[in-house]
Amino acid sequence: QGQLVQSGAEVKEPGSSVKVSCKASGGTFSSYTLNWVRQAPGQGLEWMGGIIPIVLTANYALKFQGRVTITADESTSTAYMELRSLSSEDTAVYYCARAQGGGFDAFDVWGQGTMVTVSS
Amino acid sequence: DIVMAQSPDSLTVSLGERATITCKSSQSVLYSSNNRNYLAWYQQKPGQPPKLLIYWASTRDSGVPDRFSGSGSGTDFTLTISSLQADDVAIYYCQQYYSSPWTFGQGTKVAIK
Repeated sequence: QGQLVQSGAEVKEPGSSVKVSCKASGGTFSSYTLNWVRQAPGQGLEWMGGIIPIVLTANYALKFQGRVTITADESTSTAYMELRSLSSEDTAVYYCARAQGGGFDAFDVWGQGTMVTVSS
Repeated sequence: DIVMAQSPDSLTVSLGERATITCKSSQSVLYSSNNRNYLAWYQQKPGQPPKLLIYWASTRDSGVPDRFSGSGSGTDFTLTISSLQADDVAIYYCQQYYSSPWTFGQGTKVAIK
């Protein structure tokens, strides 16, 4: 079935950056799309972007373009999401989620989530 | 972007009764070449990540109880819980994966009456 394990909680100051990792196990890493979805406290789900490891091609939501970078390391089956110029509005739980193939599929496996708190 | 609108925002249902959630997309998510609706439903319990329940609008994911069912096509979809159990208390989200950016409904909170 597969599993995604994310890095631990982070506390960041406004204006700084955060990098969250997502390590995959089970299945073939390069055959999936790894997506990043965030959820602000008490709010809904928001897709930020995704990457297809086999071609290292990332696709971003317009809202985050220029401020987020998603990368993948096939050698360690790990995806990363870096978000820059943080503000309090970026305080949220960040999830990685797997989709089959090129991304036109449901998110069948989710990481446990990483809480990012932006505060001075 | 495709906007997903769920209704109601919340509902309370007695144990053993039926719960119905609707999801409407701002444009069709039916891909005519394969006749598939690119629509999924997720369940999220407090402090947990979302869990996939239904994909292709009506296919249950592995291990999902058969009291959960999905239906609909084009722009109008429904998630039905045929006999609500205590374990079903959660927030439910629909999502389209027809066109990037993938978008979610605002969520429907299901509680026990």
